[in-house]
Amino acid sequence: QKEVEQNSGPLSVPEGAIASLNCTYSDRVSQSFFWYRQYSGKSPELIMSIYSNGDKEDGRFTAQLNKASQYVSLLIRDSQPSDSATYLCAVKGSSASKIIFGSGTRLSIRP
Amino acid sequence: EPEVTQTPSHQVTQMGQEVILRCVPISNHLYFYWYRQILGQKVEFLVSFYNNEISEKSEIFDDQFSVERPDGSNFTLKIRSTKLEDSAMYFCASSEFGGGPSDEQFFGPGTRLTVL
Repeated sequence: QKEVEQNSGPLSVPEGAIASLNCTYSDRVSQSFFWYRQYSGKSPELIMSIYSNGDKEDGRFTAQLNKASQYVSLLIRDSQPSDSATYLCAVKGSSASKIIFGSGTRLSIRP
Repeated sequence: EPEVTQTPSHQVTQMGQEVILRCVPISNHLYFYWYRQILGQKVEFLVSFYNNEISEKSEIFDDQFSVERPDGSNFTLKIRSTKLEDSAMYFCASSEFGGGPSDEQFFGPGTRLTVL
């Protein structure tokens, strides 16, 4: 069974600090990795995708991928109260069309 | 910015009734998906669809479920005889490339299905 594991949280971070979210996956042949943000009662919103080992930066967000360790992370710099949400790690294989989601980490930014 | 739309936003039905959930994918996207999320649980893949055919389906997507692209813009999910356990948020998603590694899937706002 292919799994994506995340700490459910809640992760509480002060406003302006860096939030660090982590994810591990079990399928070694996974090729594509995504971070979605989901506000309560809303749909997943794609914030980052990463396909190669290393870091990928987009504004305040940095995704990090280590395929050897089967580990993906998301850093959020200068955290804002509006960043308070559940962050879903998602993984896709090279030939499959489906995305497998983790259960999400609930992030709370405290003023 | 183009987005996936879904109707209705909330559907209430009686157990055993048929429901059809509708989606309009992003206009230049060719790959379409349905996912569902039971309250408090993970987002789960149901089915993917390309070129008027199912590409992949999960074990959840049994004979009670079907998908269709009835025209050039709509993509539908039909549940023939709803069960209590079908109560969930149903999300439609679409992607431009599909199947390949750079396949970013964009989600619609969802339809909340409540089966009584």
